[in-house]
Parts: sequence; C-alpha cells; structure tokens
Amino acid sequence: GAVVSQHPSWVICKSGTSVKIECRSLDFQATTMFWYRQFPKQSLMLMATSNEGSKATYEQGVEKDKFLINHASLTLSTLTVTSAHPEDSSFYICSARGTTQGLAGSTDTQYFGPGTRLTVL
Amino acid sequence: DQQVKQNSPSLSVQEGRISILNCDYTNSMFDYFLWYKKYPAEGPTFLISISSIKDKNEDGRFTVFLNKSAKHLSLHIVPSQPGDSAVYFCAASAYNTDKLIFGTGTRLQVFP
Repeated sequence: GAVVSQHPSWVICKSGTSVKIECRSLDFQATTMFWYRQFPKQSLMLMATSNEGSKATYEQGVEKDKFLINHASLTLSTLTVTSAHPEDSSFYICSARGTTQGLAGSTDTQYFGPGTRLTVL
Repeated sequence: DQQVKQNSPSLSVQEGRISILNCDYTNSMFDYFLWYKKYPAEGPTFLISISSIKDKNEDGRFTVFLNKSAKHLSLHIVPSQPGDSAVYFCAASAYNTDKLIFGTGTRLQVFP
C-alpha cells in the first residue's frame, strides 16, 4: 500500500516557540494532503487541506496564521505551529490521497502518516 | 455537531467469532464511507471502503455493509483475531470532496 511518513514522530517544546512537522508521500505523488489533529480519546478533526502549489484551505475555527501549511512539492507538505502554547499539545496526523491495489480491486483513498505527538510546556 | 457517530466506545469479542462495528451518519450528502484501524500513537490504516451505489463490499475477512435509508454502516470482521485489537474509525465524505469526517472510534478487543 501507499506509504506516508511524518517527521518528527514526537516533539517537546517551550511555549512561544515554533514547531515544523513534515509529511511525505514516499512512493506516490500527492497533489492533495490533509492535516488532522486528535486530542486524547477523541476523533480525528480535519484542520486543513494542503494543495500543491497553492494556498491551503482551512477548516472553520482553525487559525491559518497559527498553523502555517506549505505544500511545495508533490511529495512534501509541512505544518508549522507558530508560537505554540500548551493548548496546542496534540497528536497531529497528515494524510495523502493515493491509490492502492487490494483484493477487491484498486482503491483511491487517503493514506495516513504515523502522526506527530506535540507537547508544549 | 457530530455528523458521524460510533455509539459503542468499546467491543470485546472472542477469537474466531465475528466482530461487528457500527457507525451512523446524519449528512445525506455523504456518498463514500471508509473504515480505518488505529493503534495508539500511530496514524490510521485504511481497511475497506464502500460507495453509496453499493450496499456491500468485501475484502478478505472484512465486509462493510451500507444501509442508506437508515444512514447506517457496519464493519464485520470474521473470524476475529487478537491482532485485530485496535481502535476502529469510520469516516465519510461527500460527493466531489476529499474531506473525511471521522467518527469517534470503537475500541475492539479480541481475546483468546
């Protein structure tokens, strides 16, 4: 199946600093990538849609100036949490749309990275 | 407003038996549904999907059933294996959009 990587897998930072998270599609090109966050024991919430070569589309309630998204190539999208605060501590997950072959035929769907655990002190 | 709901937060099933995970949705614009499996501190792994033009899709041990009139879908795993123990999320998307709306998840535990 399609492989999506994220780096770093976990990060601890001081309040007020900025943190960059990378999302890469390793064996396919992704014109569209997605960023989610998940609080403990809650569902994944879509933050924004990242489009290669254009501005990201943010979901309602997500501050675009705080969560900067750059999708400079077909295999890389970055999320920068600017001036992070403790309430930004969460599990951030990216996904990329790709196609994989299964027993039931080919499937075009989103493939997720392993996630990044951010802890802001 | 939770558009995709998984009302059972947990499910415990004996190895070899069938696991049935349920999911309900409220948005009639949803036309594509997916199931993901997730381990702690990892990203979700795609399992199986179904389009609204079908009412059943099968892939190995996994079968997804869709009842559009009831706005309900279910994932059947048979036979269940201990390695299936994880949190299962259903997700939905509407026509002509890539956005996925996730349910709250059901923790499945398969015991020997």
